[in-house]
Amino acid sequence: KAGVTQTPRYLIKTRGQQVTLSCSPISGHRSVSWYQQTPGQGLQFLFEYFSETQRNKGNFPGRFSGRQFSNSRSEMNVSTLELGDSALYLCASSLAQGLNTEAFFGQGTRLTVV
Amino acid sequence: TQLLEQSPQFLSIQEGENLTVYCNSSSVFSSLQWYRQEPGEGPVLLVTVVTGGEVKKLKRLTFQFGDARKDSSLHITAAQPGDTGLYLCAGRRAGSYQLTFGKGTKLSVIP
Repeated sequence: KAGVTQTPRYLIKTRGQQVTLSCSPISGHRSVSWYQQTPGQGLQFLFEYFSETQRNKGNFPGRFSGRQFSNSRSEMNVSTLELGDSALYLCASSLAQGLNTEAFFGQGTRLTVV
Repeated sequence: TQLLEQSPQFLSIQEGENLTVYCNSSSVFSSLQWYRQEPGEGPVLLVTVVTGGEVKKLKRLTFQFGDARKDSSLHITAAQPGDTGLYLCAGRRAGSYQLTFGKGTKLSVIP
């Protein structure tokens, strides 16, 4: 059974550009969550999608957005990139059956903004 | 204020030693998960605990969920270099699908 796949693994962008990251969840998983990980702040929740609907949103500016497709694949977009957006972006998928559902992470996309 | 406080932040020990990592909160969680993460990789799920007072063992790792479901601990017996990594606890509150993470404990096991 394939795990969570994130593409690309590494990305270098310039300030002011925009970027789109992709996440393919484990087959059968309908929930996809996104996290930003930095050395100073740790893992911070961005948003969660379930059946193409955003169900939860973290405390990030509107430059961060996402969506989920009918096949449960998800994308997140960051517009007008800032140096502080440099981070490891992680996607996690879960079955989302009941509230005690386990989350499985992809390897992440390392974004560097220069 | 961090919702989940992990301690210690850094831990460097010799191979064969025992250690305990703590995850504390003033909030109640319906479940708590422990992950291990290696540099440049995503976190890998180790265990999920859901019942207050629950103890789970995974080979040399023992996980405990506090009776009040506000805290948890991870104990490693006879640590090995392969245990090196960042250990993260993450809690899910009742009624929420969101996982809240602690900042992690960075463990180094020296051969």
